[in-house]
Amino acid sequence: GENVEQHPSTLSVQEGDSAVIKCTYSDSASNYFPWYKQELGKRPQLIIDIRSNVGEKKDQRIAVTLNKTAKHFSLHITETQPEDSAVYFCAASRYSSASKIIFGSGTRLSIRP
Amino acid sequence: DGGITQSPKYLFRKEGQNVTLSCEQNLNHDAMYWYRQDPGQGLRLIYYSQIVNDFQKGDIAEGYSVSREKKESFPLTVTSAQKNPTAFYLCATRTGGTYEQYFGPGTRLTVT
Repeated sequence: GENVEQHPSTLSVQEGDSAVIKCTYSDSASNYFPWYKQELGKRPQLIIDIRSNVGEKKDQRIAVTLNKTAKHFSLHITETQPEDSAVYFCAASRYSSASKIIFGSGTRLSIRP
Repeated sequence: DGGITQSPKYLFRKEGQNVTLSCEQNLNHDAMYWYRQDPGQGLRLIYYSQIVNDFQKGDIAEGYSVSREKKESFPLTVTSAQKNPTAFYLCATRTGGTYEQYFGPGTRLTVT
């Protein structure tokens, strides 16, 4: 079945440094790739997404890259701040509201002061 | 995501009892989803519905049931057949335009 693998499961970086989280997907028909941030005890919140017709998307300190040939995509956070500490989930889906969204297992990001 | 409500926030039940979790949305989204999240784990899909009176099983549907009688509502029943029901349950909707998925605040169910 469809699967999304996410690495690493935990990540600790110094405040101000960059963080990178990587995901691979199995369904070659996937064409929509969202990233969610979940703070402790709260709901996941969409922070950025990318469609398969672009290779990179940036929003302030957050960027996502996509390599459709290799079926992997990555989240890059630059100039990390304490409020970036959270669990991040990648996901993959076909671009349809009728499709399932397959989530990765999550990365717990900790920012060291 | 402010247009999705889940009640109650915390729910306690005795083992062997069925319990129904509420999910209501005023976003006019067609698709609705139920996920289960265990501590330190990812999101696992229980059921999803694309339109009224239609729903599909997700990856872990055993021990759960749903209904979709109205576009705004997608309640989840956790039955006594679910062996480990204690978890954080998240309801979500998805737009037909941008296809973004929005989550409700969740219900934390504890069964003892």
